[in-house]
Amino acid sequence: GAVVSQHPSWVICKSGTSVKIECRSLDFQATTMFWYRQFPKQSLMLMATSNEGSKATYEQGVEKDKFLINHASLTLSTLTVTSAHPEDSSFYICSARDRAGYTFGSGTRLTVV
Amino acid sequence: DAKTTQPTSMDCAEGRAANLPCNHSTISGNEYVYWYRQIHSQGPQYIIHGLKNNETNEMASLIITEDRKSSTLILPHATLRDTAVYYCIVRPGSGSARQLTFGSGTQLTVLP
Repeated sequence: GAVVSQHPSWVICKSGTSVKIECRSLDFQATTMFWYRQFPKQSLMLMATSNEGSKATYEQGVEKDKFLINHASLTLSTLTVTSAHPEDSSFYICSARDRAGYTFGSGTRLTVV
Repeated sequence: DAKTTQPTSMDCAEGRAANLPCNHSTISGNEYVYWYRQIHSQGPQYIIHGLKNNETNEMASLIITEDRKSSTLILPHATLRDTAVYYCIVRPGSGSARQLTFGSGTQLTVLP
C-alpha cells in the first residue's frame, strides 16, 4: 500500500528557533498533502493544504508566516515552524492523497523548551 | 461534510467482537463512510470505507444501515493492539480533493 514517511519523529528545540518537518510520499506522487496538528487528548485539526507548485491554503486562525509550507516536488512537502514557542509544542501529522484515499505519516512530536 | 456522532469511549474483552457505532443522519447521497484509527502517538491508519453496501476486509467489517444514517465498524476478534481512537468520517469519495475532517472519535480499550 501507499506509504508516507514523516521525519523527524520527534524533536526538541529552544524557544525562538525554527524547526523543519518533512513529509514524503514514497511510492506514489502526491499533488496534494495536508498538515494537521494534534494537542494532547484532542482530535486532529487541519492546519493547511499543501499543493505542489503553488501556495498552500491555510485554515482560519493558522498563521502562514509562522507555519511555512513548501511543496516543491510531487513527493515532498515540508512544514517549517518558525520562531517556535512553547505553545507550538504539539503532534504534527501530514497526510497525502493516494489512489485509494488518504495515507498518513507517523507524526512528529515537537517540544519547544 | 456530514457531521458524525460517536460514543466517547468503549471497552471490549480481548477475543470478542468490538462493535463501534457511528451516526451520520445528514449524510448525502454521494458521501462515503470512512473509518480510521489512531494508536497513541502515531498517525491515523485507514481501516475501511463504504458507500451503501456492507464491506469487509482483513481488518474489519463495515455495516451501513439501509437509510445510510448510521453505520457500525466491527472488529471480529479484538486484540490488545486494537486499543486506539477510532474515527468515523463522512465525505465524498476518493475522487474529491478535500481533506479528511476528524471528529472526537471513540476511544476503544481492549481489556485482557
